[in-house]
Amino acid sequence: GAGVSQSPRYKVAKRGQDVALRCDPISGHVSLFWYQQALGQGPEFLTYFQNEAQLDKSGLPSDRFFAERPEGSVSTLKIQRTQQEDSAVYLCASSLVPSTDTQYFGPGTRLTVL
Amino acid sequence: EDQVTQSPEALRLQEGESSSLNCSYTVSGLRGLFWYRQDPGKGPEFLFTLYSAGEEKEKERLKATLTKKESFLHITAPKPEDSATYLCAVGILTGGGNKLTFGTGTQLKVEL
Repeated sequence: GAGVSQSPRYKVAKRGQDVALRCDPISGHVSLFWYQQALGQGPEFLTYFQNEAQLDKSGLPSDRFFAERPEGSVSTLKIQRTQQEDSAVYLCASSLVPSTDTQYFGPGTRLTVL
Repeated sequence: EDQVTQSPEALRLQEGESSSLNCSYTVSGLRGLFWYRQDPGKGPEFLFTLYSAGEEKEKERLKATLTKKESFLHITAPKPEDSATYLCAVGILTGGGNKLTFGTGTQLKVEL
């Protein structure tokens, strides 16, 4: 496909479970971003990759959140020991070149922690 | 602290009734002002990027403008299909990339 894809689209987890969210960026895009969007809010930055290098992880809310992009394409956001406050939509975006370029968003993964 | 404020929070228009959405920002080192449209259950869809004060861009019924402190999204003769949440974001340099700081959005409803 031509756009950013994310899986799963919906995830329900019991509190304390670990989850893994996947992002497939647009082919050839160098930059990849993860954002978290709470209900009724704008997306908030979590972390940024340029190829396989994680250059900014300042938005990750706690050390339970971990992201990787080992081969510079697909990325995984992992949340350990999920808490109810982790419930949100997790959005992935990619851009062709790092600076100033347009970010294209995927459909998001809606995580609900019970 | 970098901040983006959008107003109004919600806007209800009749079909054909033109209006404007506001996005005011305070940021050090602006690297683009971005407008996105978001439909329920979907990711944000890119509309415009503006880089310098005085710049304007148009697409169908939408026109975005930029000053040193704010941006406007003008909607001319809107149709029901323009109903969506409109998000404004500023680009901020990070590690060679451009992370976005978003406002909370304006929820637009266009009625027949």
